[in-house]
Amino acid sequence: LAKTTQPISMDSYEGQEVNITCSHNNIATNDYITWYQQFPSQGPRFIIQGYKTKVTNEVASLFIPADRKSSTLSLPRVSLSDTAVYYCLVAGMDTGRRALTFGSGTRLQVQP
Amino acid sequence: SAVISQKPSRDICQRGTSLTIQCQVDSQVTMMFWYRQQPGQSLTLIATANQGSEATYESGFVIDKFPISRPNLTFSTLTVSNMSPEDSSIYLCSVEMPGQGAILDNEQFFGPGTRLTVL
Repeated sequence: LAKTTQPISMDSYEGQEVNITCSHNNIATNDYITWYQQFPSQGPRFIIQGYKTKVTNEVASLFIPADRKSSTLSLPRVSLSDTAVYYCLVAGMDTGRRALTFGSGTRLQVQP
Repeated sequence: SAVISQKPSRDICQRGTSLTIQCQVDSQVTMMFWYRQQPGQSLTLIATANQGSEATYESGFVIDKFPISRPNLTFSTLTVSNMSPEDSSIYLCSVEMPGQGAILDNEQFFGPGTRLTVL
């Protein structure tokens, strides 16, 4: 199973771009990378997913280098409401069943 | 997408007792998952519950401690048996659905969680 590593916390100011990196050195060929956002007392919420290169949606971008051993979530212009914990998830199949490995989470604090 | 509800939202239990957590989904799904999230920690997968088959448990979790039922495609229960204070945690259920549009893999949707405190 993939092992993932994320920074414990990050601080930013409103309007800045924030980049959060997740390391997943032993990612398998068929694994996908997904990022989730979690607020207190809520379940995680999907942000973005990718396999390789760059993916962009209306809220974020995801950069995955060719070796796929890491991924970077980019939040273009953060606001106070982006204060949350962000998790990377490496998901695939392992011996016929779903393999789901969440990173340790990065607590983002956005200041005014 | 999927909307997931869990009952109870929180509970305080005595050591040695058991608690059953319910998870209801607003659409039929094949795969349901149960996670544990200890305070300030990440999510750890407990087991996968597919309708019509035995649940599959991850390393470190056993059926006697965390029995799971999956009677139909919209419902599942997780029981935390013979509880100890170490079982105090948030328990979340999730479902997987095919990704939409540019999303190539399945997408996970999570319930709000059940906050369990064991005294």
